[in-house]
Amino acid sequence: AQTVTQSQPEMSVQEAETVTLSCTYDTSESDYYLFWYKQPPSRQMILVIRQEAYKQQNATENRFSVNFQKAAKSFSLKISDSQLGDAAMYFCAYRSPYSYTGANSKLTFGKGITLSVRP
Amino acid sequence: DAGVTQSPTHLIKTRGQQVTLRCSPKSGHDTVSWYQQALGQGPQFIFQYYEEEERQRGNFPDRFSGHQFPNYSSELNVNALLLGDSALYLCASSLVSGGRYYEQYFGPGTRLTVT
Repeated sequence: AQTVTQSQPEMSVQEAETVTLSCTYDTSESDYYLFWYKQPPSRQMILVIRQEAYKQQNATENRFSVNFQKAAKSFSLKISDSQLGDAAMYFCAYRSPYSYTGANSKLTFGKGITLSVRP
Repeated sequence: DAGVTQSPTHLIKTRGQQVTLRCSPKSGHDTVSWYQQALGQGPQFIFQYYEEEERQRGNFPDRFSGHQFPNYSSELNVNALLLGDSALYLCASSLVSGGRYYEQYFGPGTRLTVT
């Protein structure tokens, strides 16, 4: 079974600064997907960025980028030029690409990290 | 284009009662997954429905059951409610096509409180 670990429960960043959120995972699979989701107080889970394990290039989405270290099973999220709207809970998640049922397989989430942004 | 919708938004039930939560997937999606998110925790996978059948199930007791309708909408039923069932219940929808991956989109959730 796959596990996802987010060991930092809380982090704080000054507006306009850069912050990195850490995530490690454990799996015996060689191909998989990794995600970062954002959950603001409104509770809506929003996909921030995804990474395919077979791609060596780190994914980027505007101010968000990842540092994917497959051998170390590490997947960190870097938020540049932090904005007040970035304050939320961030979850790292894992997903297998295969499912014996032919349907999309489940997401396995970490416990999350609460990010606060100081004005 | 409507996203994933869930009803009700909030619900208060008493121990031992039964509850039904509802989810309508994003337009064009055919797969619905349910997650339970306890306060301050990450979501835990309950089960997934595709082609009106339960396709995968997480580590949840049989008190948790579900259904998917021909229009792809889904219900989550929980019987004999326990205090520990108090949580945010999230529905996520996606599209399955030839085994290819498509994004899961989440609804706003239903907050269930068991007293």
